[in-house]
Amino acid sequence: SQQGEEDPQALSIQEGENATMNCSYKTSINNLQWYRQNSGRGLVHLILIRSNEREKHSGRLRVTLDTSKKSSSLLITASRAADTASYFCATDRYDKVIFGPGTSLSVIP
Amino acid sequence: NAGVTQTPKFQVLKTGQSMTLQCAQDMNHEYMSWYRQDPGMGLRLIHYSVGAGITDQGEVPNGYNVSRSTTEDFPLRLLSAAPSQTSVYFCASSLTWAFGGLTDTQYFGPGTRLTVL
Repeated sequence: SQQGEEDPQALSIQEGENATMNCSYKTSINNLQWYRQNSGRGLVHLILIRSNEREKHSGRLRVTLDTSKKSSSLLITASRAADTASYFCATDRYDKVIFGPGTSLSVIP
Repeated sequence: NAGVTQTPKFQVLKTGQSMTLQCAQDMNHEYMSWYRQDPGMGLRLIHYSVGAGITDQGEVPNGYNVSRSTTEDFPLRLLSAAPSQTSVYFCASSLTWAFGGLTDTQYFGPGTRLTVL
């Protein structure tokens, strides 16, 4: 399977610090997406990065993609308590979108 | 737009019962998919559809059927419920799909929490 694997599984930081999560995958991809899920809720799309892109920004979010290493990172700067959630990477190749197990982020006020 | 809607929000079944989870989107999206999420885990793809009349299997299709008779609706049928199917089910849709993969983000419904006794 081309499942992505997030690292670390859990991360706890103080409010105001930066949070970095990594995603590794096994096979070549077309796109990679990052999603956030608040406890008990549906998923919210954060960023989509295409295989020919190396970096994208959206507000306090920065995503990088290294296709040679089959990895991506999500950086959340100046974290807030409201950023507490699970974060998932999802990779697609052709017509299947496969999610990793996620990183649980806790931001302590 | 209502986005992606799912019904019911909660359901309890007995082993062996069958039921259909409903999913609808009003955004004229071509691509729709069903996932299940078990506690502490990511989402696993059950079935997906790249357009009306076209469906295919994902990672964990056994025990589930789907059909796509219209662009808007993508119901998921549990044929004979088993305790292993206790999970939260999410439906998602995306505007376009090209042979090289999704070209847009997926929008998710709020989920259906299913318990099989």
